[in-house]
Amino acid sequence: DTGVSQDPRHKITKRGQNVTFRCDPISEHNRLYWYRQTLGQGPEFLTYFQNEAQLEKSRLLSDRFSAERPKGSFSTLEIQRTEQGDSAMYLCASSLGPGGVHEQYFGPGTRLTVT
Amino acid sequence: GENVEQHPSTLSVQEGDSAVIKCTYSDSASNYFPWYKQELGKRPQLIIDIRSNVGEKKDQRIAVTLNKTAKHFSLHITETQPEDSAVYFCAASGNEKLTFGTGTRLTIIP
Repeated sequence: DTGVSQDPRHKITKRGQNVTFRCDPISEHNRLYWYRQTLGQGPEFLTYFQNEAQLEKSRLLSDRFSAERPKGSFSTLEIQRTEQGDSAMYLCASSLGPGGVHEQYFGPGTRLTVT
Repeated sequence: GENVEQHPSTLSVQEGDSAVIKCTYSDSASNYFPWYKQELGKRPQLIIDIRSNVGEKKDQRIAVTLNKTAKHFSLHITETQPEDSAVYFCAASGNEKLTFGTGTRLTIIP
């Protein structure tokens, strides 16, 4: 499968625990994005990387959220001290770059449930 | 920041009829407008997109139109089929991030 992959697909955690999600982009894509989607809503932008550089973070991304892309390939999104409001689908997308706006292709998402 | 509004929120059409979904955006700097289809429990799938230097784009039964002056764009699906049933999202971008509409649940009635 040469598309965007995410792991795990589902995660159930207790409030206060830390969780980490992984995203593997399409191999030739150097831009990687994280979005969050809640039930009945469209995806909301969280952050994006150009290679290993994190270039933009949404105000939605509180201090409890951190994202990395250390070698410009896969990325991780960590949520510390999870809250029930963090329950959502976390989507990763990738695109070609740099220069201009390119098509973004999404992974299957990680569904987080905080109990 | 950008704000995208999408209408209608739900749409039911008879199989074989056409469906139209409309979106408006607020930021005149936006220049890229993709449409995604999302089936239940699956990833958003890019189905068509349009850039601001183009007024209309077609791909088989799907077409998108853009009116930059009015800041609105529309998705048109002709000869609808049961497999077109899904949630459709419009989005707008002027830089890297996509701002999405709230989605339209399209149901094709056999």
